[in-house]
Order: sequence, then structure tokens, then C-alpha cells
Amino acid sequence: NAGVMQNPRHLVRRRGQEARLRCSPMKGHSHVYWYRQLPEEGLKFMVYLQKENIIDESGMPKERFSAEFPKEGPSILRIQQVVRGDSAAYFCASSTYGTGASGANVLTFGAGSRLTVL
Amino acid sequence: DQQVKQNSPSLSVQEGRISILNCDYTNSMFDYFLWYKKYPAEGPTFLISISSIKDKNEDGRFTVFLNKSAKHLSLHIVPSQPGDSAVYFCAASASSSASKIIFGSGTRLSIRP
Repeated sequence: NAGVMQNPRHLVRRRGQEARLRCSPMKGHSHVYWYRQLPEEGLKFMVYLQKENIIDESGMPKERFSAEFPKEGPSILRIQQVVRGDSAAYFCASSTYGTGASGANVLTFGAGSRLTVL
Repeated sequence: DQQVKQNSPSLSVQEGRISILNCDYTNSMFDYFLWYKKYPAEGPTFLISISSIKDKNEDGRFTVFLNKSAKHLSLHIVPSQPGDSAVYFCAASASSSASKIIFGSGTRLSIRP
């Protein structure tokens, strides 16, 4: 029973290249979240998706960042034209709950993808 | 605008003693609170949660206390063990917007022998 799977675990890109981070949620989970952790900082919410829908992208930078969760396949976080400030750990999480659910919305996190921009 | 604040970046506690980690929040709409634990090079793992209708929730060595009037919660670990050394994140959400769970900046707990 695999948990949340993220790949790659480590990704090195040069400035101006594209980065693609993938996330497969836990089996049975239909809600995916992306968080970013900058060095020495906490987890910052980026985006929440359900299959084929972006539900809340209020934490996503307006430019260069996009996310999708297609009907088939993993969720993808895409960063175009990366800059050094994009270097961070990107965590994906999944849950069975969504907006308006009763009870705490417990997220299960993947191990993260660490992006280094040279 | 930090809605969830953990003002102590680090805490050192002797093995066997009580560890108390603190968290403050500003958004009165938050009604669910969670604690996560994170080891280096791993993702955060869920520890314990509490809803705003309670003021205490206990699970083994871990107890979370909620003071709604002060907008403050704390995590007590007793007795502290070496394996408890990790970064602890406080998180909060509003049931009206359960999609967005807001995390604090974390407290690094070190348990010394």
C-alpha cells in the first residue's frame, strides 16, 4: 500500500530551464495539494486540485508556475524558466477530504522533491 | 501575513522530561488544528489533531491543548524520547475552506540524553 509518491526526489536545473515535478496520491485519495518549503522556512500552500480541476491556486505565483491533475496519471507541478529563488523542497500531499468536509482534513505527504537551480 | 505562528524556532529538552511546543494563530475562522512531525529528507507525518469544540486531545505520549480565547495551542510530549527529535509543524484550517491548510514555520525539537 504505497503512500504518496513523488519524483524525482532531486532535480537540478539551470536558470531558464523547465522543472516538472510529479506526484501520485495515495490509493483512494482524490485530492492533491502542493506545498513549497524554502530553506529555513515553513510549508507554504501553493495549490489544491481534484481530478481535472484546480480548486484553489491562491498560493501559486502568478507567472511561470502551473499545476494539473489529469484524469489519468500523476499530478504535475510545472515551473517554467526557473530562477534561483525557485530552489526549494516541493511537497505533495493527498487526502480523501476536500472543501467543507467535516472533521480535520488530514494530509498524507510525500517525501518531497528538492529542486536546485544553478 | 502569517496566520499560524510558531515563535520558537528550536527547543532542547532532556530525555524523559516534558516537551511543550507552542503555536499561535490569528484567524478566528480556524476550527481544526493539526500537528505534524518532520524528519530530515522526509515528508511531514501527521501526529494529532483537535477541533475547536474541544480543548484537549490525547494520544499516547502526545497531548494537544487548545485555548480558543487566546488563539493558542500547544503540543505536550511526555516523556520525551530521542526519536522525538524532529521539526514539528502546527497547522490550521477552517471547515469553510478545508482545502487550504496553513502551516507554521516549525519548531526544531532536540531531545538530549
